[in-house]
Amino acid sequence: SAVISQKPSRDICQRGTSLTIQCQVDSQVTMMFWYRQQPGQSLTLIATANQGSEATYESGFVIDKFPISRPNLTFSTLTVSNMSPEDSSIYLCSARESGELFFGEGSRLTVL
Amino acid sequence: AQRVTQPEKLLSVFKGAPVELKCNYSYSGSPELFWYVQYSRQRLQLLLRHISRESIKGFTADLNKGETSFHLKKPFAQEEDSAMYYCALPPYQTGANNLFFGTGTRLTVIP
Repeated sequence: SAVISQKPSRDICQRGTSLTIQCQVDSQVTMMFWYRQQPGQSLTLIATANQGSEATYESGFVIDKFPISRPNLTFSTLTVSNMSPEDSSIYLCSARESGELFFGEGSRLTVL
Repeated sequence: AQRVTQPEKLLSVFKGAPVELKCNYSYSGSPELFWYVQYSRQRLQLLLRHISRESIKGFTADLNKGETSFHLKKPFAQEEDSAMYYCALPPYQTGANNLFFGTGTRLTVIP
């Protein structure tokens, strides 16, 4: 099974700044995803991180706000840009392997 | 569009009692359904998927196409079952590899 490491695990950020979350998988995976889990709500898919090409964003999420990199088959980053308090959330990295989705422990962001 | 409904946000049962976490879905075609669990201070992890027909940690879930349900059941709840449970299914479009999650049910097993 894939083991996914995310960092930072948590951070407190100022309004207007940007933060990059890193996601490392211990094996090569084709599919990586970024989810958001706002307080008291379920997981919402932000985008699919495609290796070697631009990420595929879900409705309501745009590249300017959530730029994603996927330089290889084991690593991805998600940047939350120009943050506002509404961006306070847990951001989860996920990878698909053998038909199963594996998740990182999440990055809890609080925007003041 | 795909939809997963978990009607109970919170569910409390006594240890040793049966437990059922409800999940209803709307989907065109034959869905592949999953239950994910998140224990306190742990990451989200797969509990079971309907195509495998396995029983994991005593939990089972049967796909009922007539009722469009995939309820999670366990005959005798244990304290360690206290966790957040999510029902999930792939999006409607073919070829997608991500999952759409329900709102989750927090199960508390009372000693």
